[in-house]
Amino acid sequence: AQSVTQPDIHITVSEGASLELRCNYSYGATPYLFWYVQSPGQGLQLLLKYFSGDTLVQGIKGFEAEFKRSQSSFNLRKPSVHWSDAAEYFCAVGPNSGGYQKVTFGTGTKLQVIP
Amino acid sequence: DAGITQSPRYKITETGRQVTLMCHQTWSHSYMFWYRQDLGHGLRLIYYSAAADITDKGEVPDGYVVSRSKTENFPLTLESATRSQTSVYFCASSAARPGPGSGYTFGSGTRLTVV
Repeated sequence: AQSVTQPDIHITVSEGASLELRCNYSYGATPYLFWYVQSPGQGLQLLLKYFSGDTLVQGIKGFEAEFKRSQSSFNLRKPSVHWSDAAEYFCAVGPNSGGYQKVTFGTGTKLQVIP
Repeated sequence: DAGITQSPRYKITETGRQVTLMCHQTWSHSYMFWYRQDLGHGLRLIYYSAAADITDKGEVPDGYVVSRSKTENFPLTLESATRSQTSVYFCASSAARPGPGSGYTFGSGTRLTVV
């Protein structure tokens, strides 16, 4: 069965500092991978996704993520964090074959940005 | 406006009562999903639907009922609410199975409290 682990429940960074949020997945083959962001009181918004090809994926709001098959990881990065990036971030994994498209979400990492 | 809307945004109900959460999308997306979000559990899939009149259980379906008579609507009913169903409920839609160009679009959520 597929699964996602986000080992950091809460992360605090200073505005302007770089950011890396960790995501590890378990899946038998190359999966589909996603990062979503959730602002307080809102639904989740898709930041970026990986299906195949280039392992470095660019997303919205200046975020990028790198797929590393050898480490079963899909970490999210941003070179310079803005106060508006404070939110909760979810990594998700889905199957890349046919049938029911079950997507499994991680438990989230809450990002706090301090001035 | 086009999008995915959930109603109500907030609901308080008593134990044992039936309550229905509404979800409406304007894109004619084939797939629709209901998730619940709880601290420490991330998002867990309750039910999903691949098309009108096609629904199936997710990870935590007990105590919930869904229907999908029209493509655009996917209501979730708690037949006899229990305190353990206190949660934030998110509806999502997707045009296709995970693949290039797809991803989920989420509603803003319904915060349900069962007293």
